[in-house]
Amino acid sequence: GQSLEQPSEVTAVEGAIVQINCTYQTSGFYGLSWYQQHDGGAPTFLSYNALDGLEETGRFSSFLSRSDSYGYLLLQELQMKDSASYFCVPLSGGYNKLIFGAGTRLAVHP
Amino acid sequence: DAGVIQSPRHEVTEMGQEVTLRCKPISGHDYLFWYRQTMMRGLELLIYFNNNVPIDDSGMPEDRFSAKMPNASFSTLKIQPSEPRDSAVYFCASSPSAGRIYGYTFGSGTRLTVV
Repeated sequence: GQSLEQPSEVTAVEGAIVQINCTYQTSGFYGLSWYQQHDGGAPTFLSYNALDGLEETGRFSSFLSRSDSYGYLLLQELQMKDSASYFCVPLSGGYNKLIFGAGTRLAVHP
Repeated sequence: DAGVIQSPRHEVTEMGQEVTLRCKPISGHDYLFWYRQTMMRGLELLIYFNNNVPIDDSGMPEDRFSAKMPNASFSTLKIQPSEPRDSAVYFCASSPSAGRIYGYTFGSGTRLTVV
């Protein structure tokens, strides 16, 4: 089975830093992916964590703690274009399908 | 690479009509997924294929929905007969075998409206 918790909405201002948390319960946990989706657009892949620790890609970083069943996405130097929905997607070993939760809607204001 | 290509981008049809959505995955990707997104239900996985073979269709809502993948470069999702509650954005995505590591690529989606 699988359960997933993310905040439904987050608001921040341009230039700030925001952290979107994700807690999960997934049998056979393999890793954690993050996807971004702008209104009217398609989901796009941001990052994948298989091991504990921080992965950095430009302004975005993703963190995983397997022992805590917890991860987060950190967005730095926020820009208006970062306004989007963000999905954390826990992956189960042996399965190649992505099951999306409700995601977190991030609104960046001037 | 042109990415995952879906057609049509928009479809408006009357209740009871047959609707066919099309998808061309990225060349070399051996997994193909069909998703449906609505405000109420979010992004739902309908079915996925591996090497053209359907692996899991547990998300297909009912017998009115069917999906095929006759070859590695083409897949269809058919709804017959269509109903207003089928109105949604339908996404196709593809990935290589290590897709969970390198990410899945989604098409731009087909916005279906059934009136």
